[in-house]
Amino acid sequence: DIQMTQSPSSLSASVGDRVTLTCQASQDIGNNLNWYHQKAGKAPKLLIYAATSLETGVPSRFSGSGSGTDFTLTISSLQPEDIGVYYCQQYTNLPLTFGGGTKVEIK
Amino acid sequence: QVQLVQSGAELKQPGASLKVSCKPSGYSFSAYYIHWVRQAPGQGLQWLGRVSPKNGATLYAEDFRGRVTLTRDTSIATAFMELSSLTSADTALYYCARGGYIGGCRDPPCRNIDNWGQGTLVAVSS
Repeated sequence: DIQMTQSPSSLSASVGDRVTLTCQASQDIGNNLNWYHQKAGKAPKLLIYAATSLETGVPSRFSGSGSGTDFTLTISSLQPEDIGVYYCQQYTNLPLTFGGGTKVEIK
Repeated sequence: QVQLVQSGAELKQPGASLKVSCKPSGYSFSAYYIHWVRQAPGQGLQWLGRVSPKNGATLYAEDFRGRVTLTRDTSIATAFMELSSLTSADTALYYCARGGYIGGCRDPPCRNIDNWGQGTLVAVSS
């Protein structure tokens, strides 16, 4: 199975800050990577697919980069509604695997 | 728009079986895989398996093989997840999600695991 490792596990930042989350795969997954945002009690919401493509309707302050084993999700200007947990997920191989998540809070 | 609507919350006794339904709308049911994922309280996301609505072919996570069964009923465009021999460790939110296009990605970049159901809360307790 492909292991996905996210860092940091949590962060606290101020509104307007630039925030960077990272995700590392245990083997090359090309660009077969999703980023999700999950709020408490809700289903994950797709933000970025194919590592760099912004899902329709997602604000442009979100961007994804990387390929192979190292990936980044950037929020250019953190907003109050961005709090929650962010997950990366690979879909190169089954089983689908997810990172452990990064919890984002407002300082 | 694409929506996946799941059946309601369940309370089960240890040893019982569970069946959750997932009814997609807004796209051709037979054209995209359906995946099932669960999330235990305060935990991360765990994949259970995948079913092809087109031909019923399934793939299961090793941890659930023998205990989980994924099916679909094309007459009502609904997918189902059955989990047997429940224990308290199976207490979780269970999600279905739309997977990739069964015919393959013809015009990259293609979405995969893009839309999720609202989740079905399953509690296992005596």
